[in-house]
Amino acid sequence: KQEVTQIPAALSVPEGENLVLNCSFTDSAIYNLQWFRQDPGKGLTSLLLIQSSQREQTSGRLNASLDKSSGRSTLYIAASQPGDSATYLCAPRRSNDYKLSFGAGTTVTVRA
Amino acid sequence: GAVVSQHPSRVICKSGTSVKIECRSLDFQATTMFWYRQFPKQSLMLMATSNEGSKATYEQGVEKDKFLINHASLTLSTLTVTSAHPEDSSFYICSAEGGPGELFFGEGSRLTVL
Repeated sequence: KQEVTQIPAALSVPEGENLVLNCSFTDSAIYNLQWFRQDPGKGLTSLLLIQSSQREQTSGRLNASLDKSSGRSTLYIAASQPGDSATYLCAPRRSNDYKLSFGAGTTVTVRA
Repeated sequence: GAVVSQHPSRVICKSGTSVKIECRSLDFQATTMFWYRQFPKQSLMLMATSNEGSKATYEQGVEKDKFLINHASLTLSTLTVTSAHPEDSSFYICSAEGGPGELFFGEGSRLTVL
């Protein structure tokens, strides 16, 4: 069974700071890994998809790295804005059954 | 990105009634969809994998007679919570693969059973 841990559980920063969100997973046999954003009471928005063969992926102010062998991924958010306030979920997808496993998330608050 | 739509977004029902939640892929076809359940302040738990034209595959501990899944077309999967009870109250979310290896999620459906 894939266990996913996200650290920290919560983060509060002033606007403009860079954010670092950590994710670790126990089974390194993954097909890919996705980072999602979830706003309160809403569904998930896909932010970045990293294939198992990739080391990182970038989209705008977001950058995600993947170290598959050590079971780690990190999401970097540059120059944070109040609109970045949300819960961020890491979800590795297993290569044997293609199922996503989720961490509990990191809840980010960016103060104006 | 690809769009997955769920309906209804909120539903309140009386104990003992059944509720149907729809999940549609709007701009792509999905042979496989996934149904998740999320409790307050917890992460998503996979309930079942919905396969077009065949029976759904349920995760361990999920009652298949309680949570009926039908995937009758390449763009629609439905989850029916039968004989709902207050403990079935939860946030239900579906997902589908809208790009190579990338899963997209619906907006979720909040079920409250009185």
